[in-house]
Amino acid sequence: NAGVTQTPKFRVLKTGQSMTLLCAQDMNHEYMYWYRQDPGMGLRLIHYSVGEGTTAKGEVPDGYNVSRLKKQNFLLGLESAAPSQTSVYFCASSYGEGGQPQHFGDGTRLSIL
Amino acid sequence: AQSVTQLGSHVSVSEGALVLLRCNYSSSVPPYLFWYVQYPNQGLQLLLKYTTGATLVKGINGFEAEFKKSETSFHLTKPSAHMSDAAEYFCAGDTGGFKTIFGAGTRLFVKA
Repeated sequence: NAGVTQTPKFRVLKTGQSMTLLCAQDMNHEYMYWYRQDPGMGLRLIHYSVGEGTTAKGEVPDGYNVSRLKKQNFLLGLESAAPSQTSVYFCASSYGEGGQPQHFGDGTRLSIL
Repeated sequence: AQSVTQLGSHVSVSEGALVLLRCNYSSSVPPYLFWYVQYPNQGLQLLLKYTTGATLVKGINGFEAEFKKSETSFHLTKPSAHMSDAAEYFCAGDTGGFKTIFGAGTRLFVKA
């Protein structure tokens, strides 16, 4: 019963480096989301997808790109990492009901030096 | 604009005592409302949700929340705290269209 799996769990980058965060879900959910969690700010939506091949911007999309080539996978990319992107990133999925996330991964802790 | 406010970044209770975590929302349209729990180094888990209908919503682990439109509140309660309830709790609201707004979170401490 994997649910939502995120890789990697931890990563340290230097400013300007690029990387891709991977999210996989095995529940056949249509909707997938990427959030960032910062102290005292709750979760903020970066990008989301309502189905394979579709993506859309959330509340804080700048500096990030996403792709949903397969229904079960949702990738988050940082093209040129900045210290302001130091955060904990969560992927989530749901089967519908208007876009409320239901199942979360355990997070990726990303530090940008 | 929609907003969700959680009153108190930290709440401490004794084991066996009532748990009350406060959440108020600001929205011109009554939103869908949710409570999530986050244990250390884990993602969020959905505790309960209010969509329409009965205003008292029961969730997992003995938690419940009551939607009060007149007070724009959705407070989370549990009659008797257990050590395993220690975690961070997030209230969230959604008026539709992938606009779920999360509160800043309340960390619950349970004393033996």
